[in-house]
Amino acid sequence: GAGVSQSPSNKVTEKGKDVELRCDPISGHTALYWYRQSLGQGLEFLIYFQGNSAPDKSGLPSDRFSAERTGGSVSTLTIQRTQQEDSAVYLCASSLGGVLYVAGGRNEQFFGPGTRLTVL
Amino acid sequence: TQLLEQSPQFLSIQEGENLTVYCNSSSVFSSLQWYRQEPGEGPVLLVTVVTGGEVKKLKRLTFQFGDARKDSSLHITAAQPGDTGLYLCAGVGNFGNEKLTFGTGTRLTIIP
Repeated sequence: GAGVSQSPSNKVTEKGKDVELRCDPISGHTALYWYRQSLGQGLEFLIYFQGNSAPDKSGLPSDRFSAERTGGSVSTLTIQRTQQEDSAVYLCASSLGGVLYVAGGRNEQFFGPGTRLTVL
Repeated sequence: TQLLEQSPQFLSIQEGENLTVYCNSSSVFSSLQWYRQEPGEGPVLLVTVVTGGEVKKLKRLTFQFGDARKDSSLHITAAQPGDTGLYLCAGVGNFGNEKLTFGTGTRLTIIP
């Protein structure tokens, strides 16, 4: 399909285990974002990639969270030593990106369906 | 930290009624977006407002950006069951900052 895809759609893990969440952005989109959403509430920004670089990691809750992006495409969000408070839906979005694009007020982000993470 | 507060948090009304959702902040945004999210899916962009005082209409939905670019409202006329969902406002930061700051969300239920 042409949209943003995420895998797995659901992940149940035990406290203390590591998990990897994957995001496949729309082809040609240079910007990629990770957000976290708890209990159907608003989205919490985690990290933003422009190409393979992450100019803004300010939203990562702790050093147990990390993300990488390779080839300017697929991104992986890794959570080490998961805790129960990590349970949430993790959403990925991509956009055409570019500073001028943002300045024009047209920074449309296209979201994937999310990965629901449950830590027991 | 830029925060966006939405009100009401929950709203349940009868089909055919009108409603307004508010999005307020103490910070100025370069533009503001409204998204709708349905269960099991990611948010989908409805509109972007850029200029202070701007009003945009999308069928029965009217979006307004405050003059000071700190607040916005979404008005729905003659609500229909298909309008049910989680409505999120999101502020676009200053020039060069691409991340979105999302509001707290308004869960809307339209009763047939």
